[in-house]
Amino acid sequence: GAVVSQHPSRVICKSGTSVKIECRSLDFQATTMFWYRQFPKQSLMLMATSNEGSKATYEQGVEKDKFLINHASLTLSTLTVTSAHPEDSSFYICSARVGGGRSYEQYFGPGTRLTVT
Amino acid sequence: GQSLEQPSEVTAVEGAIVQINCTYQTSGFYGLSWYQQHDGGAPTFLSYNALDGLEETGRFSSFLSRSDSYGYLLLQELQMKDSASYFCAPLMNTGFQKLVFGTGTRLLVSP
Repeated sequence: GAVVSQHPSRVICKSGTSVKIECRSLDFQATTMFWYRQFPKQSLMLMATSNEGSKATYEQGVEKDKFLINHASLTLSTLTVTSAHPEDSSFYICSARVGGGRSYEQYFGPGTRLTVT
Repeated sequence: GQSLEQPSEVTAVEGAIVQINCTYQTSGFYGLSWYQQHDGGAPTFLSYNALDGLEETGRFSSFLSRSDSYGYLLLQELQMKDSASYFCAPLMNTGFQKLVFGTGTRLLVSP
C-alpha cells in the first residue's frame, strides 16, 4: 500500500522558536495532502488542505501565519509552526490522498509529537 | 453546521461481535469512511461507503443509510489486537474533498 513518512517523529523546542515538520509520500504522487492535529484521547482536527503548487486552504480558526504550509512537490509537504508556544504542543499528523478511483482513501503518516517548553 | 456522534467507549470479549454506530450531519456529504487508530499510531483506512448498504472486508463490515444520516462499523470475531480507537469520517465535498473525523470510539477487547 501507499506509504507516507513524517520527520521528525518527536521534537522538543523552546517557546518562541519555529519548527518544521516534513510529510512525504514515498511510493506515490500526492497532489493533495492534509494536516491534522490531535490532542490526547481526542479526535483528529483538520488544520489545512495542501495542494501541490498552490496555497493551502485553512480550516476556520487555524491561523495561516502561524502554521505555514508549503507543498512544493508532488511528494513533499511541510508544516512550519512559527513562534511556537506551549499550547501548540500536540500530535501533528499528515495524510495524502491516493488519486484516481480511490480518491476517498487517505494514507496517514506516523505523526510528529511536538512539545514546546 | 456539522456534527458527528459516536459512542465514546465500547468493551467486548475476544470472539464477540461489536457494532459501532455513527450519526452525522454535514454539508456536501459524499460518503462515509472508517479509520482505526492504535494508541500513538497513525490512523489506517478500514472501509468506505459511497452508497447505501453493507460493505464487507474480511472481519469488518460497514453500513450506510444516507436517508437516516447513519452508519455503523461491524467487527466480528474480535481479537485482542482490535483494541484501538475507531473513527467515522464523512467525506465532504465543499469545493474539494476532505475528511472530517468524529470523536472516535475506544474499543477495549478483553480475553
